[in-house]
Amino acid sequence: RKEVEQDPGPFNVPEGATVAFNCTYSNSASQSFFWYRQDCRKEPKLLMSVYSSGNEDGRFTAQLNRASQYISLLIRDSKLSDSATYLCVVNPDYKLSFGAGTTVTVRA
Amino acid sequence: ETGVTQSPTHLIKTRGQQVTLRCSSQSGHNTVSWYQQALGQGPQFIFQYYREEENGRGNFPPRFSGLQFPNYSSELNVNALELDDSALYLCASSPSSSDTQYFGPGTRLTVL
Repeated sequence: RKEVEQDPGPFNVPEGATVAFNCTYSNSASQSFFWYRQDCRKEPKLLMSVYSSGNEDGRFTAQLNRASQYISLLIRDSKLSDSATYLCVVNPDYKLSFGAGTTVTVRA
Repeated sequence: ETGVTQSPTHLIKTRGQQVTLRCSSQSGHNTVSWYQQALGQGPQFIFQYYREEENGRGNFPPRFSGLQFPNYSSELNVNALELDDSALYLCASSPSSSDTQYFGPGTRLTVL
């Protein structure tokens, strides 16, 4: 079983729509959780950390469910610039474990 | 910009050759991690260096080796290149082994 599993998508949504997707992780001892964004052929960039209480950053909301071992990301009022691959990342120890990514395409 | 730089940007090698990739960490960061990202996959952890010592290693063979220098810059060396080594190689630096990691732009390696 992979350490982090994500729905690869693609999610193809119109501008202004809300899109949400999840990932699951296998290591219950994991302590840190993140969403990274990766544009085509570029490096991953930290979008937001994910806290147990859930957190929001502008149009982005992340939730963590430790009991079910899943993490979610919701994007409200999608913009064209939100088109990217979103990587779910878990940090069980010194390394980052990445999912394969969920591709989101926002169309005009 | 994260302040993490990598060189070269692109590289083409043939099977069996050796390659060295370089990374310059963000100022003040003493930890560097290397990742391999194959097309369509998420980055896979290769190893991490903390204050010039290997701090952990992923599931990669010994022909993948690394170094970290006193100024915290780092190298990834790959011997006996195989076609499957073709990937984007990313380094990430952090203030310590448990802190948020910031990625460089990567080196895209093609093995023919």
